[in-house]
Amino acid sequence: QVQLVESGGGVVQPGRSLRLSCVASGFTISEYGMHWVRQAPGKGLEWVSSISYDTDSYYYTDSVKGRFTISRDISKNTLFLQMNSLRVEDSAIYYCARRTGGMDVWGQGTTVIVSS
Amino acid sequence: EIVMTQSPATLSVSPGDRVTLSCRASQNVNSNFAWFQQKPGQAPRLLISGAFNRATGIPARFSGSASGTEFTLTISSLQSEDFAVYYCQQYNNWPLTFGGGTKVEIK
Repeated sequence: QVQLVESGGGVVQPGRSLRLSCVASGFTISEYGMHWVRQAPGKGLEWVSSISYDTDSYYYTDSVKGRFTISRDISKNTLFLQMNSLRVEDSAIYYCARRTGGMDVWGQGTTVIVSS
Repeated sequence: EIVMTQSPATLSVSPGDRVTLSCRASQNVNSNFAWFQQKPGQAPRLLISGAFNRATGIPARFSGSASGTEFTLTISSLQSEDFAVYYCQQYNNWPLTFGGGTKVEIK
C-alpha cells in the first residue's frame, strides 16, 4: 500500500547536523512532488520544504533557508532533509508528505530534539 | 506570506451535533485549499482538497465550502472518532501556510 516512513531523528546539540530520510512505498517519488512539514511540541503544523516532481524547483520556509536542504534518491525511492546548524527552535516532529495539491499521504513522523 | 486564521480555537460539542469550522485566508488562494484532521499521537490526515473535494476514504459527513477567502468545513453529525484538531492550509502561494487549528472537544 502507499506508505511513507521517516527516520533519522534524534537528540542533537545546537549547531550540529542531522539528515532525515523518508522511504516511500506503493508509489514512485519521481512522479510526485514531496514536502517536509514539522510540528513543535504542543504546537500546530509548519511547512518546512518542498521539492517538485521533476526536481526543477525547491522551496524552503525562511527560517531554514541556507541551513536545510531537501533532496531525493530515486533509486532508493527516498526523500531526504539535510539539516545543518540546528537550533533549539528546530525541535519538532518532522513529517514527510506527498504533494498532490493537498498533502494526501503522510508518514508517522520522526522526532528531532535540539538541546545542549 | 498568506496568513490562515481559524476560528474558533476550541469547539465544545456533543456527538450527533452539526459542526462548522471556519478558516479565513489573508488573500485570494483560489481553490488551492485543504483541511486536515489530526488526533493525538498521529500524523495529520487529509480530509478535503481543492476546497470542496473529499479525499479518498473520507466519510460523506465531512464537506468543504468556500466563499471568497472564507472556507468552511462542516461535519454533518459528529461521531466519537471526529474529536480531534482540524487544520486548514493553502497551497496557492509559497510559502505554504497552515491555520493555527481548531480543537473539537467533547462538551
